[in-house]
Formats: sequence, C-alpha cells, structure tokens
Amino acid sequence: EVQLVESGGTLVQPGGSLRLSCAASGFTLSNFWMHWVRQIPGRGLFWLSRISDDGNTRSYADSVKGRFTISRDNAKNMVFLEMNSLKAEDTGVYYCARDNPDYWGHGTLVTVSS
Amino acid sequence: QTVVTQEPSLTVSPGGTVTLTCASSTGAVTNDHYPNWFQQKPGQAPWALIYSASRPHSWTPARFSGSLLGGRAALTLSDVQPDDEADYYCLLYYGAPLVGIFGGGTKLTVL
Repeated sequence: EVQLVESGGTLVQPGGSLRLSCAASGFTLSNFWMHWVRQIPGRGLFWLSRISDDGNTRSYADSVKGRFTISRDNAKNMVFLEMNSLKAEDTGVYYCARDNPDYWGHGTLVTVSS
Repeated sequence: QTVVTQEPSLTVSPGGTVTLTCASSTGAVTNDHYPNWFQQKPGQAPWALIYSASRPHSWTPARFSGSLLGGRAALTLSDVQPDDEADYYCLLYYGAPLVGIFGGGTKLTVL
C-alpha cells in the first residue's frame, strides 16, 4: 500500500526556518517525481515544488523560489522541504504527493506567527 | 502572472450531469499542460481523479471523465451521486522544468 507521511510542521516565528519531511512507503521512491503542495485551511490548493526521480531537476512556485528547497534521499525513502525566511502567508497544511500527483499524504500543519 | 480559473460553484441534481472547466490565462489549455483533476472533501487530503487531461486513475469511478473542451480542460460527472458533493481542483503545468498552478477550485453542491 502506497503511503506518504508528512512530519515537521509546527509553530514558527516570521523569518524563521523549518524542515518538513515526507516518509514514503509501499513503492520504489526512486522511480517517481515528488511534489509539495500547500493549503490554507478552508482555502484552495497551492503548488509549491517538484523534484525529479533522481533529484537532479527541481522547480518552484515563484513565491517560494529562493526561500524553499526541495530535496530527497531515495535510499532512506524520504523527501524534504527546507523552508527559510518564513512569512505569515506560508501558514497552511503542507502535503507531499507522488508523480502526477496521484497519491497524497495527509499533510502537516505549519503556522507562521509571532 | 499566470492564472488558472475554475467556476467558483456549481449545483447539480442527483442523477444529473455536470461539467466543470479549467481555463488558463495564457490561452488554450492543451495536452502540454498535463491537466489533472482532484476531489477534496472537508478535512481530507485531495483525491486524484484524472491526469493528462483524460486519463483516469485505476480507482476513478467511470462516472468521472476528463477532456479538452473549447480551449479548456473539463471534468464531467455523470449520474451524480450525493457523495460527489465536494471541492474540485484542476492543476495545470507550465514551462520547463514544469511548474504547477492550481485553479481556485469549484465547490460542487448536489441538491
């Protein structure tokens, strides 16, 4: 069974940093591109970033480019999102998703507030 | 800045048919945008329905179909069930490497 489990969400102050993790199981992570998507509770979905199966190709939404970094460790079946210079508008549930995307995790909540 | 636009809300009767659309501010939506469709219910993660405009996932009910229609991506729900009441999002990809942009979502009411 494909599973994606996000972790690392917490309350962080504006200007702070945070690293989110996504643990993948039930499939061979090295065969799939992976995404991060954000959602403010009660609002729409916002695509953040995508990384190729081998980690060599990455893309970002304009609003997070230069602040967020996506990475992966295929040997450990993990995908990461490093977030710096966090702003209040970065608050939301962060989802990890596979491929098209097809499978999604249940998300981890990040709150940026003083 | 590219904007992807969906109908904010639609209402359909049980057993009816409804088509949701997804438009791009850059022009016609094509297969090169790799349109995806997702359903999301309150408190749940999104659930993938359609990829590459018209391809259903293995779990997608046959009542859901995707297409390109009049320069837009479209999601058609046939024989609508009360359980289909949800938010529906489209996702389009642009550029190289691909960058994704979600539409604002359509709130579908079954009434």
